[in-house]
Amino acid sequence: AQSVTQPDIHITVSEGASLELRCNYSYGATPYLFWYVQSPGQGLQLLLKYFSGDTLVQGIKGFEAEFKRSQSSFNLRKPSVHWSDAAEYFCAAHGGATNKLIFGTGTLLAVQP
Amino acid sequence: DSGVTQTPKHLITATGQRVTLRCSPRSGDLSVYWYQQSLDQGLQFLIQYYNGEERAKGNILERFSAQQFPDLHSELNLSSLELGDSALYFCASSSGTGGPYEQYFGPGTRLTVT
Repeated sequence: AQSVTQPDIHITVSEGASLELRCNYSYGATPYLFWYVQSPGQGLQLLLKYFSGDTLVQGIKGFEAEFKRSQSSFNLRKPSVHWSDAAEYFCAAHGGATNKLIFGTGTLLAVQP
Repeated sequence: DSGVTQTPKHLITATGQRVTLRCSPRSGDLSVYWYQQSLDQGLQFLIQYYNGEERAKGNILERFSAQQFPDLHSELNLSSLELGDSALYFCASSSGTGGPYEQYFGPGTRLTVT
């Protein structure tokens, strides 16, 4: 069955530190991949997407993600975290035949001053 | 602001009742999706419409139904509500379907069933 896994439920980093959030997928073929962010009481904002081509994709708010086919991973990174980055982050994928998104369980990011 | 609008923002109702959630997609988007977010199930796909036609169905209960109108707005109808239906319901839209399209999400409707 198709699935998206985010192994880390909760991560705490210090402001200014680097960040990496992990995401693994299980699909028959390489899916289209996305990262969304959800602030408390808010909707989901698209951070970045991977369709094909360059495996390092840049997104909004200084985020980037790297697609690694050999590891079935699409990890999200940021070199220096800001207090405003505290939120829940969701990795998602769809296979293209339908566009239904399958979401990971989310990683809640806390930022320490 | 994603350009996707949802009304109402909050809804409180009693068990057994029926409610309608409304969604307007981004200008030009033909595809509308509904998702449910709950603490125990996470984010789950419910149903997709493309240009007025049902395109894909997920874990949507028989008590729930949806439609997309000629002006492309969509409504999700939830009936015979149960306590377990309390959740955040998101609408998303994309320009197309069946390919590399990203989805933009609305702010959600928080449904509380008492």
